[in-house]
Amino acid sequence: AQTVTQSQPEMSVQEAETVTLSCTYDTSENNYYLFWYKQPPSRQMILVIRQEAYKQQNATENRFSVNFQKAAKSFSLKISDSQLGDTAMYFCAFQRPTGFQKLVFGTGTRLLVSP
Amino acid sequence: GAGVSQSPSNKVTEKGKDVELRCDPISGHTALYWYRQSLGQGLEFLIYFQGNSAPDKSGLPSDRFSAERTGGSVSTLTIQRTQQEDSAVYLCASSSGRVYEQYFGPGTRLTVT
Repeated sequence: AQTVTQSQPEMSVQEAETVTLSCTYDTSENNYYLFWYKQPPSRQMILVIRQEAYKQQNATENRFSVNFQKAAKSFSLKISDSQLGDTAMYFCAFQRPTGFQKLVFGTGTRLLVSP
Repeated sequence: GAGVSQSPSNKVTEKGKDVELRCDPISGHTALYWYRQSLGQGLEFLIYFQGNSAPDKSGLPSDRFSAERTGGSVSTLTIQRTQQEDSAVYLCASSSGRVYEQYFGPGTRLTVT
């Protein structure tokens, strides 16, 4: 079974600074998908970024980028130029590539961006 | 277009009562998922529907939990004889059937008193 670990329960960063959220996972599969989801106080889970394991290039979406280290089974999220609206819970998630498609989530990291 | 919607937004019920939670997926999405988010357990998968295939119920925590998906669209999650440990946020998600990009609804917060 796959597991996802987020070892940082809470992180703080000042506006305009850069912050990195950590995620490690365990799987025996060679191909899979990894995601970062954001959950603001409204509860709505929003997809931030995704990475296909077969792609060596790290995914980037505007201020959000990942550092995907397949051999180390590490998938960290870097948020550049942090904004107050980035305050939220961030969840790392794993998905197998075929058949059954449930997401396996980490326990989340609460990020607080302060002025 | 419209996103995933869920109703009610909040539900307070007494222990022992039955509750129904509703999910309207994005139009055209063939896959629908239910997850539960609770303080002690994080986000956990409950059940998955894909098209006309039999649902995968492997995540349902007990036989008090059941779900239906009518006409390949709307889904209802039913919890019978609710217990206090059922208190959680129940999230629904849908996808177009590809292996990624699940779109989530705003969730239903269930409180069992």
